[in-house]
Amino acid sequence: GDSVTQMEGPVTLSEEAFLTINCTYTATGYPSLFWYVQYPGEGLQLLLKATKADDKGSNKGFEATYRKETTSFHLEKGSVQVSDSAVYFCALRGGSGGSNYKLTFGKGTLLTVNP
Amino acid sequence: NAGVTQTPKFQVLKTGQSMTLQCAQDMNHEYMSWYRQDPGMGLRLIHYSVGAGITDQGEVPNGYNVSRSTTEDFPLRLLSAAPSQTSVYFCASSYGGTGSSYEQYFGPGTRLTVT
Repeated sequence: GDSVTQMEGPVTLSEEAFLTINCTYTATGYPSLFWYVQYPGEGLQLLLKATKADDKGSNKGFEATYRKETTSFHLEKGSVQVSDSAVYFCALRGGSGGSNYKLTFGKGTLLTVNP
Repeated sequence: NAGVTQTPKFQVLKTGQSMTLQCAQDMNHEYMSWYRQDPGMGLRLIHYSVGAGITDQGEVPNGYNVSRSTTEDFPLRLLSAAPSQTSVYFCASSYGGTGSSYEQYFGPGTRLTVT
């Protein structure tokens, strides 16, 4: 079945540091890929997405590129801020069989940014 | 639009009690789902629905019941609460129209403690 593996945290950075959170996936067909963010005490919200190979999703200074050859969707940001402190989830929507709606999530990576 | 709403925000139950977690959305989404979030486990799908009158089991359905009598509402029932059901519960909804990426919209969550 489909699966998502993302780097385990926690990740602690200083403000303005470069961020990478690795995400790799296993899926049949042509999945869509997502990054969700969960701020403390809140639900998840979509950060960015990519629906086909070589697409780059971007939002709020974050970027991720859908790499089919390496089955990866790594999240990057050039200069993090304290307000980026949150839990980040990588997820995929399977491209074949089953419900079109179902998402498979990674376990989440806690990011803490210190001033 | 209120988006996805969940009540209550917090709940404490004793072992063996039953209760219903409420979820409603005002976006006319056909897909709704319930997840539980536990430390180190990411989000796990409990039950989902692809439309009124249609429900199906997810990854961890035991001890939970759902029904979908309207497009808007998707309540989750705990039949006989157990300490293992202590968790944060999230409801989500999605639509799948032409060109949709099936993005899921999440509610703010219900934090449940079973003693």
